[in-house]
Amino acid sequence: DQQVKQNSPSLSVQEGRISILNCDYTNSMFDYFLWYKKYPAEGPTFLISISSIKDKNEDGRFTVFLNKSAKHLSLHIVPSQPGDSAVYFCAASALDSWGKLQFGAGTQVVVTP
Amino acid sequence: DAGVIQSPRHEVTEMGQEVTLRCKPISGHNSLFWYRQTMMRGLELLIYFNNNVPIDDSGMPEDRFSAKMPNASFSTLKIQPSEPRDSAVYFCASCPSSYNEQFFGPGTRLTVL
Repeated sequence: DQQVKQNSPSLSVQEGRISILNCDYTNSMFDYFLWYKKYPAEGPTFLISISSIKDKNEDGRFTVFLNKSAKHLSLHIVPSQPGDSAVYFCAASALDSWGKLQFGAGTQVVVTP
Repeated sequence: DAGVIQSPRHEVTEMGQEVTLRCKPISGHNSLFWYRQTMMRGLELLIYFNNNVPIDDSGMPEDRFSAKMPNASFSTLKIQPSEPRDSAVYFCASCPSSYNEQFFGPGTRLTVL
């Protein structure tokens, strides 16, 4: 069963605008969430993370928001740049099963000029 | 500073043959993970090691799959005998213990004919 869900397989956004990627999870034991970015023929690269004790974490153009009651997190990219075109994966882990990252299916982001 | 190194990058083999994938983690990282990515199942964790000891192999699909980590700088994932349904991209990742952010290698694309 898929415990981490990214329901949008793709997203197209204009350069300079905001990209919003969504992720839902079902396991209430998850307490740490990560976003990874993946270019073709490369491995996923860690982007940003958030602990369940926070509801927001910001790193430059990237901000992750966590809504624990809704079991939902989102990644905001502002402003979007052509180099942001990639597949973005949401991942989650639980304290009692460290190391076992559960990944979503990914969202393909295309930033157009 | 070299990242996670995987070899080969591409492997094409015939059904029934033995396949060995190799991984060199980042120096100083004492946790190592093997993942498989397919269209149907996305990114799934196969097995992970901590200090060269296998901690959780519940994701290993069948007895045909085995993984070893003889020392801190080398791990192998072996499939014997290989089947067409094993065709996928296999990623190795590493991280320091207690960290959640895993660093991925570039992957090995395996095709079993």
